[in-house]
Amino acid sequence: DAKTTQPPSMDCAEGRAANLPCNHSTISGNEYVYWYRQIHSQGPQYIIHGLKNNETNEMASLIITEDRKSSTLILPHATLRDTAVYYCIVLKTPLGTGNQFYFGTGTSLTVIP
Amino acid sequence: GAGVSQSPSNKVTEKGKDVELRCDPISGHTALYWYRQRLGQGLEFLIYFQGNSAPDKSGLPSDRFSAERTGESVSTLTIQRTQQEDSAVYLCASSDRDRSNQPQHFGDGTRLSIL
Repeated sequence: DAKTTQPPSMDCAEGRAANLPCNHSTISGNEYVYWYRQIHSQGPQYIIHGLKNNETNEMASLIITEDRKSSTLILPHATLRDTAVYYCIVLKTPLGTGNQFYFGTGTSLTVIP
Repeated sequence: GAGVSQSPSNKVTEKGKDVELRCDPISGHTALYWYRQRLGQGLEFLIYFQGNSAPDKSGLPSDRFSAERTGESVSTLTIQRTQQEDSAVYLCASSDRDRSNQPQHFGDGTRLSIL
């Protein structure tokens, strides 16, 4: 599975958009991009995933570049509760096989009041 | 609806004792995964269940670790003769494997401390 590169930390002002980048230059055509976050003492929380089209849900938007070598997770109006470590993962999950998520070090996002 | 539930949330035990960790997945999710997360580190895959079968046990670190799943629902991870290096958070996740590329949904884990 493709490796990902994320900045180790970022700050964002409360109420502003948080834009978290991820590079995945070795992604293959059938690998999806997943985003999770982990708040201290809790399990990882699923945020969003996509293949090549931009995706939006109630939590965030995912923008994937046309060449799929990078993506950006956007939290449109960051709140203090969005302070967490954010993980970008690329993975293909064909039916009938396991789907092992490997979480790297991620980006530690701090939302500042 | 209800998410993945794990119990106990915390477990402290003495070295050499056996422990059982329980996972209740989201209802209807056919796939279930166990991971281990040591302090400040990423997730380490342990085992994957599809239904009640475990096609991938490659991550179990030693024969002291075992897991089972019954009724395509509850799973139990058992660690025998615990060692101090077993101290970690043990996370369970489930997903709807009848559809490809579905995300895994995690519980909050069991924090295991071996004295």
